[in-house]
Amino acid sequence: GAVVSQHPSRVICKSGTSVKIECRSLDFQATTMFWYRQFPKQSLMLMATSNEGSKATYEQGVEKDKFLINHASLTLSTLTVTSAHPEDSSFYICSARDGQRDGGETQYFGPGTRLLVL
Amino acid sequence: GQNIDQPTEMTATEGAIVQINCTYQTSGFNGLFWYQQHAGEAPTFLSYNVLDGLEEKGRFSSFLSRSKGYSYLLLKELQMKDSASYLCVPLDSNYQLIWGAGTKLIIKP
Repeated sequence: GAVVSQHPSRVICKSGTSVKIECRSLDFQATTMFWYRQFPKQSLMLMATSNEGSKATYEQGVEKDKFLINHASLTLSTLTVTSAHPEDSSFYICSARDGQRDGGETQYFGPGTRLLVL
Repeated sequence: GQNIDQPTEMTATEGAIVQINCTYQTSGFNGLFWYQQHAGEAPTFLSYNVLDGLEEKGRFSSFLSRSKGYSYLLLKELQMKDSASYLCVPLDSNYQLIWGAGTKLIIKP
């Protein structure tokens, strides 16, 4: 149980284009989803917290107009990287919180999306 | 400030037991997670401790002492697939996960 999927798993795009990443909780409803970014050999960095039906809360230093987050349903959140640049190349990972299990605060992670901007 | 202290790297032998220690300092505390992360992959949930004591789950056990700001993850009967990074992740007063660099565990045959 507590399966989270992400799509696509890998994407290569040209500089200036936009990329959409989907995150789905497959077997539970997630009122809260999280988006992280991880650069090689570094720890996870929280980008934003997304609550279903409301605007995302962005961490300091994360541009909300560049990283658009939509959480339209209890099982789907999307992250759109707009006007991507090479420095946006990273491993993007979503997680979802299932308030019903493992203490209610556990985040279950999707497999991640590796973005390469040329 | 918020701080997590874990060994950067540990090496153990297949079939053996290894204990990964973690000390933490956070603004408030609402529990502590252990996650496993294989190279190039996303983290996988292992355990969650909110009360003092030992939680056992198969080959993995996690211990917490809130008064000491200390936790450990115990891995028994090590297998080659256990080679990964292990992340000690406390939950602060804002219910935010505090991520460190983790401990890279290398299993040798």
